[in-house]
Formats: sequence, C-alpha cells, structure tokens
Amino acid sequence: DAGVTQSPTHLIKTRGQQVTLRCSPKSGHDTVSWYQQALGQGPQFIFQYYEEEERQRGNFPDRFSGHQFPNYSSELNVNALLLGDSALYLCASSQWTSGRGTDTQYFGPGTRLTVL
Amino acid sequence: QKEVEQDPGPLSVPEGAIVSLNCTYSNSAFQYFMWYRQYSRKGPELLMYTYSSGNKEDGRFTAQVDKSSKYISLFIRDSQPSDSATYLCAMRTYNQGGKLIFGQGTELSVKP
Repeated sequence: DAGVTQSPTHLIKTRGQQVTLRCSPKSGHDTVSWYQQALGQGPQFIFQYYEEEERQRGNFPDRFSGHQFPNYSSELNVNALLLGDSALYLCASSQWTSGRGTDTQYFGPGTRLTVL
Repeated sequence: QKEVEQDPGPLSVPEGAIVSLNCTYSNSAFQYFMWYRQYSRKGPELLMYTYSSGNKEDGRFTAQVDKSSKYISLFIRDSQPSDSATYLCAMRTYNQGGKLIFGQGTELSVKP
C-alpha cells in the first residue's frame, strides 16, 4: 500500500516564476491538505481540499492556489514566486469524517522549493 | 503570542535516557493532539494521536494531555540513537476541518 507521494522532490525557480507541485493521497483517503514548512519551523497550513473544493484556508495570499482531481490527487500552484516562498511543501492525506472534518493526517515526503 | 509553543532545543541525551518533550497552547478549543517525528529533510511521521485529556502509551512512547493546564507531553523511554529527529506537536479543534496547528519542533539528539 503506497503512502502519500509527492512530486517533484526538489525544485529550483527564480523570483516571479510560477510553480506546480503534485500530491497523490494514501489509498482510501479522499482529503488532501497542503502545508508550508520553513527551515527550523513547524508546518503552516495552506489549505485543504475535499470533493474537489477548497474547504478551509490558512493565512496565505491568493498567489497560492490549488486543485483536487476526481481521483483525489491534488496540485498546489504558486504564482509570482518570492524569495520567502523557499520552503518544504508538504502534502497530507486523510479520510473526511462528517461533523469534524478529517481524521488523522499522514504526510508525504515533501517537495523542497528553492527560489533564487 | 503563538497558539502553540514548543522549545526548539536542541536537546541532547545519552542512549537509554528518558526523554520528555512538551508543548503549551493557548486555545482551549483544541481537542485533538498529535506528536509527529520528522527526520532531516523528510516528511513528518505520525507517532501518537490522542483525543481530549489523558494518557496514551505505545511501546516506548507515552503521550499525556492536560487540558486544564493547556499542556501536552511526549515521553520516550530507553531512548535510542535512531530516535534522533525533530519532534513536532500538533493540535486542532473538533470542527475546524483539517487545519493542524504545529509547534516549532524540538530537535532531539540521542548519543551512543
């Protein structure tokens, strides 16, 4: 049973460019959450997708957008990259539970983005 | 003030020691509490998951939640060099969907 997978592993971009990161959830999971982890910090919640809709969003600008596909996989897009966007981007998958959102979240290995 | 406070360490202990890791929080609505372990340049791995107050034990790991003090702990018994990693506490409310609030993480080093 494959866990959460993310691609690419590493990415180098320059300021102003756009980037797309991809995530496939764990088998049996239908919800995907994205987090940004700066060096030496805990992960910060970006947003969560369920049934192809953004269900909840953290304190991130509109430059950060996402999408969920019918097979539950998800993409994170970041436009107009800034130096401060350099971080490890983590995808977490879970099973939606009516009334309380989602159950336990399992994380993928992350995509390390460097913005020069 | 951050919603979740965690001492970043680093914490260095000899092999076999008992390790105590802690987090404090300010939001009394938090009801789900988690500990994740993160090895260098890897994704967080779920270690412990508890609901509301109380203790939970799994092998060498024990998680404690004291909601009255807004304080959670993770104890590691008979620590091993393979336990060297960053430990992240995380928590969320009952109905806030999937938004986990993380502490900064504590870097632990277990010396042989």
